[in-house]
Amino acid sequence: SQTIHQWPATLVQPVGSPLSLECTVEGTSNPNLYWYRQAAGRGLQLLFYSVGIGQISSEVPQNLSASRPQDRQFILSSKKLLLSDSGFYLCAWSVRGAGGNTIYFGEGSWLTVV
Amino acid sequence: DAKTTQPTSMDCAEGRAANLPCNHSTISGNEYVYWYRQIHSQGPQYIIHGLKNNETNEMASLIITEDRKSSTLILPHATLRDTAVYYCIVSSSQGAQKLVFGQGTRLTINP
Repeated sequence: SQTIHQWPATLVQPVGSPLSLECTVEGTSNPNLYWYRQAAGRGLQLLFYSVGIGQISSEVPQNLSASRPQDRQFILSSKKLLLSDSGFYLCAWSVRGAGGNTIYFGEGSWLTVV
Repeated sequence: DAKTTQPTSMDCAEGRAANLPCNHSTISGNEYVYWYRQIHSQGPQYIIHGLKNNETNEMASLIITEDRKSSTLILPHATLRDTAVYYCIVSSSQGAQKLVFGQGTRLTINP
């Protein structure tokens, strides 16, 4: 069965520091991968998605970047964090197929920028 | 992707069926209806999805109207653990399959 791992689960970082959140998917090949963010009291916002290695699409302009160095690895990064980057970050995956492409989410990472 | 409209909040008694409505009047022919829920501080959980036929799984039933402009998610015997925000999302099966989340319905199951 497929599983998704995301780490770290919680993170407290000072303003201006770098960020790296990692996500890996097991049990599937060539998945679509996604990063979402949920600010406190707000809805889920799609940040990035990837349909293959090295293929990254950004949904909103921001202080973050994403990379996909391997088929089942997705990394969210920032060179200098802002207070507004605080939130709940979720990695997700899906596999293209008939009958719709269900997206499955990880457990999320809580980021607090102080 | 088509937009959806859901009530902001709903209440349901424990043990009763919870019926959550969703309007998606601009849905197109290749778009599916997906339902997810998010329990506080957790990642969204997939519930069910459908194209035009009614669907049922171990969690819920999905009823889609014949014109596909609205749907209803049914939790047949709601429990306290079903308290969550429920999202109805319409998305195409083509391309990267992006899910755009709205505000959802906050369902509270009361004892």
